[in-house]
Amino acid sequence: EPEVTQTPSHQVTQMGQEVILRCVPISNHLYFYWYRQILGQKVEFLVSFYNNEISEKSEIFDDQFSVERPDGSNFTLKIRSTKLEDSAMYFCASRRDSQNTIYFGEGSWLTVV
Amino acid sequence: AQKVTQAQTEISVVEKEDVTLDCVYETRDTTYYLFWYKQPPSGELVFLIRRNSFDEQNEISGRYSWNFQKSTSSFNFTITASQVVDSAVYFCALSEADFGNEKLTFGTGTRLTIIP
Repeated sequence: EPEVTQTPSHQVTQMGQEVILRCVPISNHLYFYWYRQILGQKVEFLVSFYNNEISEKSEIFDDQFSVERPDGSNFTLKIRSTKLEDSAMYFCASRRDSQNTIYFGEGSWLTVV
Repeated sequence: AQKVTQAQTEISVVEKEDVTLDCVYETRDTTYYLFWYKQPPSGELVFLIRRNSFDEQNEISGRYSWNFQKSTSSFNFTITASQVVDSAVYFCALSEADFGNEKLTFGTGTRLTIIP
C-alpha cells in the first residue's frame, strides 16, 4: 500500500543550525502538509501546500520555517535557525483531493540541543 | 474556530474488556469531517476512520466501532474485547470542509493501556 515516507527518522542538531526534513508524499496526492507534535502533547498543524504554493499556515509557522517542493516527488520543511523549542516530532501528510483522507508519514523526530 | 476535546487523558483496562474513548467537538460549519488516528509507541499516526457530518450512521470495523451523535457533538470510539496491541494514544480530529485545504485540528489524545 502506498505510504508517505519521511527522512530522517531522527535528527539531533545544535541550536542555531539549519535543518531540512524531507518527505515523499503518496505519488498521486495533490495536497501536502506538515504537522508538529511536541513530546506528550497534541498534534498541531503547521502548513498546507497545494499547487506549488502555501495555502495556509499556522501561527507556529513563522519566518524561521519554509517549505518547498523542489521536484515532482519531494516535499521539504526547512527550519532556518533552530531553537530548543523546535524539538518535536514533525509529521508530513498528504491527500489526493478534497474528498480524501489525510495520510501521515512515520514522523521525523528533531532534537535541538 | 474549531476545537476537539478528549477529556480522558489516560485509560487502563484489562485485556478483553470493552473500552470507549470520548470525543467532543466544536465547529461553526455545517459540513465537516471527523477522524480517529492511532499513535502506537513507535510514534507513527495510523488512520482509523473518517466520517462526514452528513453521515450519522454508526460504523463497525471488526472490534472497532464509532458512534457519531450530532446532537451532542460527539464522535466516540469503542474497542470491543481489547487486546494488548490496542495500547496506544488515540487522537480524535476535526476538519472543516474548506475545499482545497482540509487541515486537521486534533484533540489532546487519550492514552490507552491494555493490561494483559
